[in-house]
Amino acid sequence: DAMVIQNPRYQVTQFGKPVTLSCSQTLNHNVMYWYQQKSSQAPKLLFHYYDKDFNNEADTPDNFQSRRPNTSFCFLDIRSPGLGDAAMYLCATSLDRLSTDTQYFGPGTRLTVL
Amino acid sequence: DAKTTQPTSMDCAEGRAANLPCNHSTISGNEYVYWYRQIHSQGPQYIIHGLKNNETNEMASLIITEDRKSSTLILPHATLRDTAVYYCIVRPEGGATNKLIFGTGTLLAVQP
Repeated sequence: DAMVIQNPRYQVTQFGKPVTLSCSQTLNHNVMYWYQQKSSQAPKLLFHYYDKDFNNEADTPDNFQSRRPNTSFCFLDIRSPGLGDAAMYLCATSLDRLSTDTQYFGPGTRLTVL
Repeated sequence: DAKTTQPTSMDCAEGRAANLPCNHSTISGNEYVYWYRQIHSQGPQYIIHGLKNNETNEMASLIITEDRKSSTLILPHATLRDTAVYYCIVRPEGGATNKLIFGTGTLLAVQP
């Protein structure tokens, strides 16, 4: 089945130690998104790629970066994780950016910062 | 983007219909109403969307009032697996991001 895959499902890192989360998709969608969801809060968009074009949200901290080496894969890099970055990180995809394009989410990666 | 208002939580008996309301009184003519749900510790799942007309799919029905200021998501026969947070989201047509702006959602608890 076509799907959005996130690895690992659980990630533990140390304060200040760089960490990378990965997302892959078999849907061949043009757009890939990264959302952050802190405990008991709603998901919040960090940035998205439209094909190779990176689009950052205005309030996304510089500590968060992303890479999309090809259509199928997208990575979230946290350069120096702080305790406040502990959250669920959700990857999503959509065929295009029209408002009728459904976003499909992966299962998420839960990040713990010690 | 139009703001949505949903009840914080609702209960529903298993097998009964679950009716989840959403208020979006500032919605404009080209904005869609979307519903997603998020089961605990999983990613959000698309349910249904509509613009003006009522919509139905295998998961749910969406009833949009004639003035489009509110809508109701109906799960016709709720099961325990429908326990989740349900998000009503208003999305503008077009735009550069197609991002989803999640509100606080409604926690639906289906009771046995």
